[in-house]
Amino acid sequence: DAKTTQPPSMDCAEGRAANLPCNHSTISGNEYVYWYRQIHSQGPQYIIHGLKNNETNEMASLIITEDRKSSTLILPHATLRDTAVYYCIVRPPPLNTGTASKLTFGTGTRLQVTL
Amino acid sequence: DTGVSQDPRHKITKRGQNVTFRCDPISEHNRLYWYRQTLGQGPEFLTYFQNEAQLEKSRLLSDRFSAERPKGSFSTLEIQRTEQGDSAMYLCASSSPLAPGELFFGEGSRLTVL
Repeated sequence: DAKTTQPPSMDCAEGRAANLPCNHSTISGNEYVYWYRQIHSQGPQYIIHGLKNNETNEMASLIITEDRKSSTLILPHATLRDTAVYYCIVRPPPLNTGTASKLTFGTGTRLQVTL
Repeated sequence: DTGVSQDPRHKITKRGQNVTFRCDPISEHNRLYWYRQTLGQGPEFLTYFQNEAQLEKSRLLSDRFSAERPKGSFSTLEIQRTEQGDSAMYLCASSSPLAPGELFFGEGSRLTVL
């Protein structure tokens, strides 16, 4: 599986944009980039995913570089409730048609949003 | 839709005892995953079911661990002869075939082995 590298921690002021980087230099052409977050004492929560193009949903935006070797998750207006560990995951294609492939979590980035 | 539910939320047991965790996935999801998480680490994949078939198992899943999903609905994870190293949060997740990478996680079952 392609390995991802994330900074262990980041701070962000409430109301400002939080930009969380992820390096995945060994990513293959058919591997997706997924982002999850885990708020303390809860299970991980899906945020967004993408292949090549930038993606946006109600939670965040995902910017993937043209060479696909890195990406950035953007929380446009961070709030205290966004304090969590954010995981960047490269998802390989399934082994067999019609099946799924597992997500391999690293240690993520601990984002602390402050007043 | 009540999401993924896990039971019990907390379990304290003595070394050598057997424990069983239950996971009820979102009803229309045919895929179910078990992960384990220890303090300061990300979740580690244990096993995955598609309907009732167990399609993949991690080498982390020693012979003391067994998971079942007999009717393709709820799943159980049993740990026999527990060891202190088994202390962790056990997370269950489910996903739809329409969005296989979008896992919905439960809040986990925390196991403490004394």
